[in-house]
Amino acid sequence: DIQMTQSPSSVSASVGDRVTITCRASQNIYTWLAWYQQKPGTAPKLLISAASDLQSGVPSRFSGSGSGTDFTLTISSLQPEDFATYYCQQPNRFPYTFGQGTKLEIK
Amino acid sequence: QVQLQQSGPGLVKPSQTLSLTCVISGDSVSSTSATWNWIRQSPSRGLEWLGRTYYRSDWFSDYAVSVEGRLTVKADTSTNQFSLLMTSVTPDDTAVYYCARGALNIRAGLPLDFWGRGTLVTVSS
Repeated sequence: DIQMTQSPSSVSASVGDRVTITCRASQNIYTWLAWYQQKPGTAPKLLISAASDLQSGVPSRFSGSGSGTDFTLTISSLQPEDFATYYCQQPNRFPYTFGQGTKLEIK
Repeated sequence: QVQLQQSGPGLVKPSQTLSLTCVISGDSVSSTSATWNWIRQSPSRGLEWLGRTYYRSDWFSDYAVSVEGRLTVKADTSTNQFSLLMTSVTPDDTAVYYCARGALNIRAGLPLDFWGRGTLVTVSS
């Protein structure tokens, strides 16, 4: 199975800050990477697919980059609604696997 | 807009069978550009993909090794839904269970773009 490792596991930041979350795959997954946002009590929401393609309706302050084994999710200017847990996932090689999550908390 | 409506019991006794269903609206379970997935989430396991079913001129199902042999994911075209059956459950199967659509994208693989609301399943006597 492909292992997905996120860092950091948690981060504290303020509204307006720029935040970057990293995801590393245990083998080459090209650009087959998705990012999800999850708020307490709700299902994960797909933000980005193909490493950098923003889903319809997702604010442009979110961006993704990377290929191969190293990927990043960047939020350019944090808004109050962005405080949540973020997960990466490889959605192409069976079985699909998720990172352990990065909890973004208010400083 | 695709919507997935989950249903099923919140409490199951150890050694019994867990049964959940996911009714699809806005798409077809027979779509050849989608897969229909079950994922669970618990503090100990995080997000864990369990299995899927999909139609590509025939029906196929795949399962995670961790649950293979205990899990069946099946589609029902007459009601446009799919289901999860997990046998011999233990307290370790306690989790929030989600159904989700995987949308086929040549560049992206099969990201999970629509999710059900989740069902908290507790395995306890």
